[in-house]
Amino acid sequence: AQSVTQPDIHITVSEGASLELRCNYSYGATPYLFWYVQSPGQGLQLLLKYFSGDTLVQGIKGFEAEFKRSQSSFNLRKPSVHWSDAAEYFCAGALSGNTPLVFGKGTRLSVIA
Amino acid sequence: KAGVTQTPRYLIKTRGQQVTLSCSPISGHRSVSWYQQTPGQGLQFLFEYFSETQRNKGNFPGRFSGRQFSNSRSEMNVSTLELGDSALYLCASSPLGQGGYGYTFGSGTRLTVV
Repeated sequence: AQSVTQPDIHITVSEGASLELRCNYSYGATPYLFWYVQSPGQGLQLLLKYFSGDTLVQGIKGFEAEFKRSQSSFNLRKPSVHWSDAAEYFCAGALSGNTPLVFGKGTRLSVIA
Repeated sequence: KAGVTQTPRYLIKTRGQQVTLSCSPISGHRSVSWYQQTPGQGLQFLFEYFSETQRNKGNFPGRFSGRQFSNSRSEMNVSTLELGDSALYLCASSPLGQGGYGYTFGSGTRLTVV
């Protein structure tokens, strides 16, 4: 079955430190991959997406993600975290443009001073 | 450009009642999908409508239903509410296809069943 796994439930980083959130996928073919962010009580905001081509994808708010086929991973990174980045982050995949997104369980990011 | 609008934002219902949630997609978006979000199960796909037709359905009981109108606005209905239906219900719209093209989400409707 198609699935997306986020191994880390909760991560705490210091403001200004670098961040990497992990995401692994299990699909028969290369899926469309996404990262979304959700602030408390809000909907999800799209950070970035990967369809094909360049494996390093740039997104909004200074985030980037790297697609690694050999590791079935699509990790999200940010070089310097700001306190406002504290939120829940979701990785998601879809087999094609016309299939629903399957979400990981999310990683909650806390940022400390 | 207005985003995805969901109404109401909060609802409290009693077990056994029914509820209707509304979603207005981004103008020009023809696909509307619904997700249920709970702390235990995470985000689960309910169904997707495109041009007033249900194209995909998730693994939810028949108590959960939806529809889409000619102006692409969508409603979802939950009948005979159970305590376990308490969740954040998120609507997402997409110009053409479904998730693979990327969704824009609304802020959700928080449903509490007591």
